[in-house]
Amino acid sequence: DGGITQSPKYLFRKEGQNVTLSCEQNLNHDAMYWYRQDPGQGLRLIYYSQIVNDFQKGDIAEGYSVSREKKESFPLTVTSAQKNPTAFYLCASSMGAATQYFGPGTRLTVL
Amino acid sequence: AQSVTQPDIHITVSEGASLELRCNYSYGATPYLFWYVQSPGQGLQLLLKYFSGDTLVQGIKGFEAEFKRSQSSFNLRKPSVHWSDAAEYFCAVVMRGFQKLVFGTGTRLLVSP
Repeated sequence: DGGITQSPKYLFRKEGQNVTLSCEQNLNHDAMYWYRQDPGQGLRLIYYSQIVNDFQKGDIAEGYSVSREKKESFPLTVTSAQKNPTAFYLCASSMGAATQYFGPGTRLTVL
Repeated sequence: AQSVTQPDIHITVSEGASLELRCNYSYGATPYLFWYVQSPGQGLQLLLKYFSGDTLVQGIKGFEAEFKRSQSSFNLRKPSVHWSDAAEYFCAVVMRGFQKLVFGTGTRLLVSP
């Protein structure tokens, strides 16, 4: 089964903690993306990566970090510097600058 | 600035009635255009896309969209709505040659019996 998986589905974080969200794809796509979704604001791009070992900041990168050590994986770390991390996080992938396909998402809640 | 506008935050349609969701974009050139659907707590599913050619595009689940260059619009339509179509719909665009997908704020569709 080809697709994008995200884990965990739900994640709870205490104030001051870093947490890492997983995103894996077996579509052999070169590019991967992380979006944040808040009610009434659509999706906003956090980071994206076009190839392994390279990534670029999106519109709201502050307080987040990523790595791209393998083509299949693009984990997102939400650091303690992110002041309002409670949101729904979506990972996507694409073959080049074309159609993006999305994973099922991770809901992060700060306690 | 480049932007995507979905003017309707909520729309309620009776089951079996027709549907049109509006999307306008503000770009200097014709971008690639997409419609996605999202059920509560789920990821986004691609409904259809327009890159070039025929301006009427067919998608999954009986949806279609029409690209109108003169109006900078890409409206989504369905002739007969089913209760299972209740979801949030997002229009998105990307400039040709770029990878940054820009989303509208979404339209929530409610289907009444």
